[in-house]
Amino acid sequence: NAGVTQTPKFQVLKTGQSMTLQCAQDMNHNSMYWYRQDPGMGLRLIYYSASEGTTDKGEVPNGYNVSRLNKREFSLRLESAAPSQTSVYFCATRDRGQETQYFGPGTRLLVL
Amino acid sequence: AQSVAQPEDQVNVAEGNPLTVKCTYSVSGNPYLFWYVQYPNRGLQFLLKYITGDNLVKGSYGFEAEFNKSQTSFHLKKPSALVSDSALYFCAVRVPGGANNLFFGTGTRLTVIP
Repeated sequence: NAGVTQTPKFQVLKTGQSMTLQCAQDMNHNSMYWYRQDPGMGLRLIYYSASEGTTDKGEVPNGYNVSRLNKREFSLRLESAAPSQTSVYFCATRDRGQETQYFGPGTRLLVL
Repeated sequence: AQSVAQPEDQVNVAEGNPLTVKCTYSVSGNPYLFWYVQYPNRGLQFLLKYITGDNLVKGSYGFEAEFNKSQTSFHLKKPSALVSDSALYFCAVRVPGGANNLFFGTGTRLTVIP
């Protein structure tokens, strides 16, 4: 089992470019999350999906969109990247009725 | 509103000595508390959690944490530190309702000195 996978591992964008970060899980978990991690701060929730077909905003959703394509996949899109979106992005999953979240390896994004 | 405080940005400990990484929290309702560890260029790995029951929780890699309701603390401990324990440690509290997402502290970098 791969657990939670994220692609790409690293990306450099120019201001205004768009891109999609991919997350996939083979744990059959219902809930999926996108967090960003910035230096000196804890992880902050961008968007989450409680189940297939539903998505909701988290703490810092501005500048992002998400798609819960199916139970396995949850993508995060930056339509027009800004330097403030330079960060490390983590996807996480959680099984229904359980409390523990499981994290992917992260995508490091640099916006110039 | 919930909050998590990790008062130490950096903790240094000699190999073989006991280690403590501190965490205090504020949350409405019953707290669900977690510790995660992050190694360089890796995702977060779950260490342990407190949901209910025994105040002393044992987790992975010999770590344990003590839930103290009166002091609203959930300090991470290990009796004998290893160099391989050097990493970034995050305390987190579950945000009740809604997403059931985790609210994280700012992290504590643990360095174990050989």
